[in-house]
Amino acid sequence: DGGITQSPKYLFRKEGQNVTLSCEQNLNHDAMYWYRQDPGQGLRLIYYSQIVNDFQKGDIAEGYSVSREKKESFPLTVTSAQKNPTAFYLCASSQTGGPDTQYFGPGTRLTVL
Amino acid sequence: AQSVTQLGSHVSVSEGALVLLRCNYSSSVPPYLFWYVQYPNQGLQLLLKYTSAATLVKGINGFEAEFKKSETSFHLTKPSAHMSDAAEYFCAVSEERAGTALIFGKGTTLSVSS
Repeated sequence: DGGITQSPKYLFRKEGQNVTLSCEQNLNHDAMYWYRQDPGQGLRLIYYSQIVNDFQKGDIAEGYSVSREKKESFPLTVTSAQKNPTAFYLCASSQTGGPDTQYFGPGTRLTVL
Repeated sequence: AQSVTQLGSHVSVSEGALVLLRCNYSSSVPPYLFWYVQYPNQGLQLLLKYTSAATLVKGINGFEAEFKKSETSFHLTKPSAHMSDAAEYFCAVSEERAGTALIFGKGTTLSVSS
């Protein structure tokens, strides 16, 4: 089945540690996205990539980093510089960038202890 | 700049009643508009999408939305609510040009009582 997988589903981190969230898609989509979701805030864009080896900052990129070395993979690293990292993180992909339908993974819930 | 406003963070209806979730957008060019649904601790699922074809768009699970340019609105409706419709709903907007991502509203939580 084609789709987007995110791992792990739940992640716990101590303050000061970097963590990497995985996102893989087998839809052959060019564009991939990372969103952060907090209660009552909707989805806020962290980073997006329209093509391999290229990515752009979204609205809340500070404290996060990404890479796009392969078309199917777009890992997100939450660094110790992110002041309030506890949130639900959603990865998405679309055929191309712009107004295409985005398909979402199941999400990773990160909790900082 | 694009923006989306969802009126009402929480809507409650009885089973069998009309569902109306409101979405207003701001865009300098003809927009693409989306409604997504999210069940607890899951990702988002596309309900329907407007892409400048018919102004009345039908989606999955009996939902539909009407694009009204004069009101800059894209409200989501369903004639008869079902218990399984209880979820969070997000409206999103994008513009027809490269390099743009979706802009999401803050969401509306729909509760359905028996």
